Amino acid sequence: GNSVTQMEGPVTLSEEAFLTINCTYTATGYPSLFWYVQYPGEGLQLLLKATKADDKGSNKGFEATYRKETTSFHLEKGSVQVSDSAVYFCALNRYNQGGKLIFGQGTELSVKP
Amino acid sequence: SQTIHQWPATLVQPVGSPLSLECTVEGTSNPNLYWYRQAAGRGLQLLFYSVGIGQISSEVPQNLSASRPQDRQFILSSKKLLLSDSGFYLCAWRFRGGDEQFFGPGTRLTVL
Repeated sequence: GNSVTQMEGPVTLSEEAFLTINCTYTATGYPSLFWYVQYPGEGLQLLLKATKADDKGSNKGFEATYRKETTSFHLEKGSVQVSDSAVYFCALNRYNQGGKLIFGQGTELSVKP
Repeated sequence: SQTIHQWPATLVQPVGSPLSLECTVEGTSNPNLYWYRQAAGRGLQLLFYSVGIGQISSEVPQNLSASRPQDRQFILSSKKLLLSDSGFYLCAWRFRGGDEQFFGPGTRLTVL
C-alpha cells in the first residue's frame, strides 16, 4: 500500500544551522508529494510540493526534490531561524481515492537562538 | 481568494454529550472536503471525506459521523462523546482535480 515515513523527532538545531528532514514513501504510480508545516495551535499550511520526478519544490528558503529512484522527498533549509520551529509533515496524494493525502507521522523542529 | 472557516475554535464537553463541529469554505464551488483528527502527539487521521453534497466516505469505524448539507459546508457530529474523542479536529478542502489540500484553523475538543 501507500505510505510515508519521516525521520523521528524532535530535531533541535541552533539558529542558522542547516536542516534536513528525511521523508521516504511507498506508492503505486506517480503521486504528488508535499511538505506541510504546523505551527503550535494552528492548522496545517502547505509549504511546498512537487508533482513529478526530479521536480524541486521551494518556498521560504525550504527545498525538496522528488527523487523517484530513491523514493524520497527530503526537506532542506540552509539556515534555519527560530521562527521555523514547528511540526513538519510529509505527504503524498492518492488521486484515485478522492484526492486523499497520506501523511507521515510528523517531525518536530525546535530552533534555539 | 478562498478561505476556510471552522467553529468553534475550542470546545469542552462532558462525556455522553452531543457534538457538532462546522466547517465552511468560501470562494470556490464543488470542492472535495475532508475531516481529520489529530490526537495526542502529532499524527493526522483522516476521518471522512466528501466529493459532493450528501456524499460521505468514512475512513474508520468510530463514534463520529459527517454530513454535507450544502456544497461548501461540512459538519462533524456525534450523538454521545467519548473520552477518546478528545483531540484537534481539522477540516480541509481541495479543488476538484487539484493536488494539494488547504486546511482550516482547527477545533480543539476536550471531552471530560
